[in-house]
Amino acid sequence: DTGVSQDPRHKITKRGQNVTFRCDPISEHNRLYWYRQTLGQGPEFLTYFQNEAQLEKSRLLSDRFSAERPKGSFSTLEIQRTEQGDSAMYLCASSPTSGRASQTDTQYFGPGTRLTVL
Amino acid sequence: GEDVEQSLFLSVREGDSSVINCTYTDSSSTYLYWYKQEPGAGLQLLTYIFSNMDMKQDQRLTVLLNKKDKHLSLRIADTQTGDSAIYFCARGTGFQKLVFGTGTRLLVSP
Repeated sequence: DTGVSQDPRHKITKRGQNVTFRCDPISEHNRLYWYRQTLGQGPEFLTYFQNEAQLEKSRLLSDRFSAERPKGSFSTLEIQRTEQGDSAMYLCASSPTSGRASQTDTQYFGPGTRLTVL
Repeated sequence: GEDVEQSLFLSVREGDSSVINCTYTDSSSTYLYWYKQEPGAGLQLLTYIFSNMDMKQDQRLTVLLNKKDKHLSLRIADTQTGDSAIYFCARGTGFQKLVFGTGTRLLVSP
C-alpha cells in the first residue's frame, strides 16, 4: 500500500484554461475527500464521496468545479475557466469503512496538487 | 459554528517541550485530530483523541482535551529540529468533512 497519490503534483495554467487533477486513494478505502488549502490557511473541505456517490459538496465548490468518482476508485477534480483565485493546493484524502481506522474516522492525505493560475 | 483557532507561531529550542494549543466552538465533534505538514507536502496524521477522553499519550506526543473549555493541546516532548513544521488541529463529526484550524508554525532551533 503506497498511500494516497495525486497527479500532477504541480500545475501552472493561464487564466481561463481548464485543469483536471487526479486522486488515487488507498486501495479499498470507500470514502474520498477533496480539500483546498490556500497560502497560510488550513485545508477547507470541498466535497466527499462514498464509493461513486458524491454525498456532500461545500459552498466553495462553484459551478466551475466538478468532481467525479465514476467507478468508486480514483477521483478527478476539474476546474473550468480557471481564475487567479483558484490558485491553491488541492488535497485529496481517503478513509476506510471497516477496520480500526474507520472507527476513528481517520482521513489519510495525499501530497496534494499545487495549482498556480497566471 | 465551525471555528477552530490556533496560535500562529511557536519557537522552541531543541530538547525543550513544545505545547501547541487549539480552541474550537462546535461541541458536537466526535474526534479531534492533530496533523503535521512539512513545506510543500500533504498532511501527516500524528494522533487523535475521542471526545470522551481527557488525555492520550503516544510516544513523545501528549494530547490534552478540556471539553468544558473546548480546548485541545498537543505537547511534543524533547522537540527535535525535524519537528519543525506546521501543525493543524482538526475536528470531525463522523465520516464527513474535517474542519481545520489555521495551523501553528513550529520552529525548533538547535
